[in-house]
Amino acid sequence: DVKVTQSSRYLVKRTGEKVFLECVQDMDHENMFWYRQDPGLGLRLIYFSYDVKMKEKGDIPEGYSVSREKKERFSLILESASTNQTSMYLCASSHGEGGQYFGPGTRLTVL
Amino acid sequence: RKEVEQDPGPFNVPEGATVAFNCTYSNSASQSFFWYRQDCRKEPKLLMSVYSSGNEDGRFTAQLNRASQYISLLIRDSKLSDSATYLCVVNGRTGRRALTFGSGTRLQVQP
Repeated sequence: DVKVTQSSRYLVKRTGEKVFLECVQDMDHENMFWYRQDPGLGLRLIYFSYDVKMKEKGDIPEGYSVSREKKERFSLILESASTNQTSMYLCASSHGEGGQYFGPGTRLTVL
Repeated sequence: RKEVEQDPGPFNVPEGATVAFNCTYSNSASQSFFWYRQDCRKEPKLLMSVYSSGNEDGRFTAQLNRASQYISLLIRDSKLSDSATYLCVVNGRTGRRALTFGSGTRLQVQP
């Protein structure tokens, strides 16, 4: 079975803090994705990566950056957290154009 | 117009009923289609891929109509455990491997 893990299930941070969310997959997938999910807005793509050291902007990249130094790990960075970044953050991975497999999510609250 | 549109429901059906969801998509170049299931406060899980010829997995049948740009999911003999939100997913404008998620259709199966 594909396993995608995320560093934290719940996180509380203060406005202006730098936040790191980490995601690791164990299936040697080349594609990795970060989404946020908000009530009424569904899943929105923040960034994705097709290969190590490669990244592409999704639909809502503003206020976020990413890092992919190793194939199995994809990090999402909030340089200066703001209250409107309070959300559920979901990481996913896939192979080719196949379906994506999600981690359990990180519920981030920014105070 | 949203890239992927779904009736949010909820669909309230009795156990044993047959229920169908439809979803429309706007990008005629989309090549990959999926149905996901998401339980409350959990991550989305891949339910099935949708192929041009249609496909069936036990009580679940998915169909694709490219001419009309819609996808359907049929659930036969509904179980209480089928209660969840069902997400229609297509590969979207951000790249062939990046997916666009519908906002979901909520199903509640009642005893």
